[in-house]
Amino acid sequence: IAGITQAPTSQILAAGRRMTLRCTQDMRHNAMYWYRQDLGLGLRLIHYSNTAGTTGKGEVPDGYSVSRANTDDFPLTLASAVPSQTSVYFCASSPLSGDGTDTQYFGPGTRLTVL
Amino acid sequence: GENVEQHPSTLSVQEGDSAVIKCTYSDSASNYFPWYKQELGKRPQLIIDIRSNVGEKKDQRIAVTLNKTAKHFSLHITETQPEDSAVYFCDLFKTIFGAGTRLFVKA
Repeated sequence: IAGITQAPTSQILAAGRRMTLRCTQDMRHNAMYWYRQDLGLGLRLIHYSNTAGTTGKGEVPDGYSVSRANTDDFPLTLASAVPSQTSVYFCASSPLSGDGTDTQYFGPGTRLTVL
Repeated sequence: GENVEQHPSTLSVQEGDSAVIKCTYSDSASNYFPWYKQELGKRPQLIIDIRSNVGEKKDQRIAVTLNKTAKHFSLHITETQPEDSAVYFCDLFKTIFGAGTRLFVKA
């Protein structure tokens, strides 16, 4: 495959609906991340996972949940979507080298609109 | 906690001129300072990075300098071209990004 992929590419969702954004990487990276990028703003960390079976909260975790059942997949779930969750969502991965010098590789993004 | 400030937020230069973007941080524990470029509608991608044991690194028209004493690191782009137009982000501790600099290169 081509590194890191996300699905869907874009989605329009009614408020209150549940939605799962998918992220898969084939680089055998230990760490994975979810960011949101609002229009004109920078990247904000939602949740992360340093290894399969573990997850942690980022800067803006409320309203989102993640799981890391295996190395390759890191889905992000919105339990009950609200309009303020309208954003572009990027998944990323990094090797987690242990010396703090990791490059992050980003997926192509999912554009989510909540009405 | 860790914090990084990126300036300027917008930068407009004439083709062929140089561009400099600076990030200042508050915590000295980081030892890795990457820069990412994001073209319109695309994903962020690494363009250059520097480890803390090096003061400067160059890759063709781009360079990064690091001043650990003053706690800032800068991206330098020389001989700018229209395709350099994008948003540039610095990164600290992998998950703390600067707010971004939108660079416009006018032909």
